[in-house]
Amino acid sequence: AQSVAQPEDQVNVAEGNPLTVKCTYSVSGNPYLFWYVQYPNRGLQFLLKYITGDNLVKGSYGFEAEFNKSQTSFHLKKPSALVSDSALYFCAVRDGGDTGKLIFGQGTTLQVKP
Amino acid sequence: NAGVTQTPKFQVLKTGQSMTLQCAQDMNHEYMSWYRQDPGMGLRLIHYSVGAGITDQGEVPNGYNVSRSTTEDFPLRLLSAAPSQTSVYFCASTPSGRASEQFFGPGTRLTVL
Repeated sequence: AQSVAQPEDQVNVAEGNPLTVKCTYSVSGNPYLFWYVQYPNRGLQFLLKYITGDNLVKGSYGFEAEFNKSQTSFHLKKPSALVSDSALYFCAVRDGGDTGKLIFGQGTTLQVKP
Repeated sequence: NAGVTQTPKFQVLKTGQSMTLQCAQDMNHEYMSWYRQDPGMGLRLIHYSVGAGITDQGEVPNGYNVSRSTTEDFPLRLLSAAPSQTSVYFCASTPSGRASEQFFGPGTRLTVL
């Protein structure tokens, strides 16, 4: 069965510093991986996805993610954090088959301090 | 496009009451899903649909019903509300194809007393 784990409940980083939000996955077959962000009292917004190709995927708001097949990881990164990046981040993997279902990690709260 | 819309935004129910959460999308997406979000548990799939007339259960379907009579609409019915159903509910739609991302509605915050 497909699964996703986000090992950190919260990540704290100072503004201007690089940030990493970790995600590991377990899938059978090729992984289809996604990152979403949720700002307070809002729905989820798509950030980026890995389907195939380059291991470094670029997305919205300056975020990028590194796919590592040997470590089964898909960590979200940003070179220089902004206070406005503070939010809840979810990693997700597409369920096997073509049903549109996503399996989500439990989420990581990112806190960027001025 | 309005995208994915959900109504109501907030709802308070008493135990045993029933209600329907509405979800609509205007992007002609084939796939639609309902999730609930609880602290520390991420999003859990309640029900999903791969097209009009076709629905199936997700991870936590008990206490909920769905139907998909049109491509646009995917209502979620709570049959007899329980305090354990207090949660934030999100509807999402997706074009067909495994590479497609999901588009989420703004959510409905439900409290069951």
